[in-house]
Amino acid sequence: QITLKESGPTLVKPTQTLTLTCTFSGFSLNNTGVSVGWIRQPPGKALEWLAVICWDENKHYSPSLKRRLTITKDTSKNQVVLTMTNMDPVDTATYYCVNGPDGDYPTYWGQGILVTVSS
Amino acid sequence: QLVLTQAPSASASLGASVRLTCTLTSEHNNYAITWHQQQPEKGPRYLMKLDSDGSHNKGDGIPDRFSGSSSGAERYLTISSLQSEDEADYYCQTWVTGTLWVFGGGTKLTVL
Repeated sequence: QITLKESGPTLVKPTQTLTLTCTFSGFSLNNTGVSVGWIRQPPGKALEWLAVICWDENKHYSPSLKRRLTITKDTSKNQVVLTMTNMDPVDTATYYCVNGPDGDYPTYWGQGILVTVSS
Repeated sequence: QLVLTQAPSASASLGASVRLTCTLTSEHNNYAITWHQQQPEKGPRYLMKLDSDGSHNKGDGIPDRFSGSSSGAERYLTISSLQSEDEADYYCQTWVTGTLWVFGGGTKLTVL
């Protein structure tokens, strides 16, 4: 059974860096074809893809946010970490961790974590 | 530019069928997509991957009432025998391998 769970701060101040951790089970990021990504959803709005990391260390980022994002993996801990710099109130959203094949699309979703950006 | 277009809302009666549409930009009309359901106050759930030829692979536990089909640049999600729990937002998603993912704006389905 595949599960993913997001953790991190629920409140950050403007200009701070957000660090979110996805802890997963039921699969290994060492296995060929496996990937983990991040997607966010501002309150009342649509889903927005942020980044994905693949089993072979390939990483892909949303072009509009690329300069602010870093995604890394720790296969020994079954974790993927997303950092987003220079947070702004418009970054207030629920952040979801997802698993999927070949870095192409999500098939399993975490429960999400609501991050509010406010001073 | 790769864009997915969805109608903001749709409605259908309990027990009826409804077809939701996701339209790819014309130059990307051979792309596969995925459908995801988001019930109120819940996280999204993967429904299926839908190829340009209409073949689709559903996620774990997705009922037979959910099916997909394709025509040109349009990708469809059909839900038959609508139930109250089908009232949700439905998102389509596509990708350029090794580059990016794109989501549609979502369709809010109301079951009357």
